[in-house]
This record gives sequence, structure tokens and C-alpha cells, in this order.
Amino acid sequence: KAGVTQTPRYLIKTRGQQVTLSCSPISGHRSVSWYQQTPGQGLQFLFEYFSETQRNKGNFPGRFSGRQFSNSRSEMNVSTLELGDSALYLCASSSNQGGDSPLHFGNGTRLTVT
Amino acid sequence: AQSVTQLGSHVSVSEGALVLLRCNYSSSVPPYLFWYVQYPNQGLQLLLKYTTGATLVKGINGFEAEFKKSETSFHLTKPSAHMSDAAEYFCAVSETGGGADGLTFGKGTHLIIQP
Repeated sequence: KAGVTQTPRYLIKTRGQQVTLSCSPISGHRSVSWYQQTPGQGLQFLFEYFSETQRNKGNFPGRFSGRQFSNSRSEMNVSTLELGDSALYLCASSSNQGGDSPLHFGNGTRLTVT
Repeated sequence: AQSVTQLGSHVSVSEGALVLLRCNYSSSVPPYLFWYVQYPNQGLQLLLKYTTGATLVKGINGFEAEFKKSETSFHLTKPSAHMSDAAEYFCAVSETGGGADGLTFGKGTHLIIQP
């Protein structure tokens, strides 16, 4: 079974631009979560989608948004990029929404904002 | 609210020695606890998880962890370190029923294996 796939692996953007990151979950997984990883803040929860509905959201500004499609694939969008948005963005999928369901992570998209 | 504290941002052990990575959590409800490992330029891989039942949990690659409710701890151990164990290790907590905060991770511990 194929793992979680994130595209692209690397992105370089300029301050003020917007960016869209893509995530394909493991086949059959309906829950997709997004995390931001930085050296200073560590891993921080962005949001979670289940069956095309955003169920949980972390403490990030409205510039960060996402969506999930009927095939469970998910995208996240960051508008008006800031230098501090430079990070590794990780997508994870799980088979259900329960807190005991382990997350399966992709290899991430490394975003650099200049 | 839930939180996780990992003691020691870097831990160095000799190859063949015991590995002990410490994790303490805070949760207002019975937690689900996880350990993940991250190799350079990769995502996180699940090592083991505690949900209910036996408090000593065995995971992949010879790792195990013990849930101690009285100490609010979930330390990760491996009897004999191998060079391939060098990586970043994250402890994480999730409150029962999913919770609204997703998975809360500790800051991570970088494990260094000395030859």
C-alpha cells in the first residue's frame, strides 16, 4: 500500500505570494491532518479534515487554510506569505478520527520564503 | 489542555548501550500516547503507541515504552543502541475521543550514537 504522498517536496516563494501544498493520503484513510515543523516551535497542529469537513483547527492565522476533496486528497493554502512561514509542512493521514488512531506521515514539503 | 515535555534536546549514547528518552505529559483526561521517529529529510514514523490495557508497550526496531500514570510519564527505552537509531524522537499525546487540538508533540530529542 502506498504511503502518504506530498507534493512538491521543495518550494521557494517570495514574501507576499501565496502557495498551495498537496497531500494524497493512504488509500482508505479519510482523516488528513497538517502540521508545521520549525526548529523554534517544533511540530504544531494546523488543522484536520475528515470526509471533506474541517473538524479541528490549530492556533494559526486565517492566512492558513485547507480543504479536502471527495477522494480524501487534501490541499493547504498559505496566502500573503511571511518569512516566518518558512517551515517543513507535514501531512498525515489516519484511518479514522479517533484519538487512538496513529498518524501516517508524508515526507513533507519544505517551504522557504525569501 | 494537553502538553508534552521531553527532557534533553540531545542524548548521546555509545553503540550497544541502553537508550532512555524521557517524556512527561499533561492531560486533563486519560491520554493516548505515542512515540515517533524522524530521520533526516523524512516525515515521522510511528514507533509505538499506548491507548489502553498493558502499560508496557513494545514497538518497532526493539523500542519499548512504559506508561506510568502516577508519574505522568511515557519514557522510551531500547536495551542496546545501534548506529541506525540515530534520529530525532518525538513523544506525542492525544486526548481520548480525538480532542480539538490534534496531536500535541514534544520538542523532540536528538539521539546521537557514538561508535
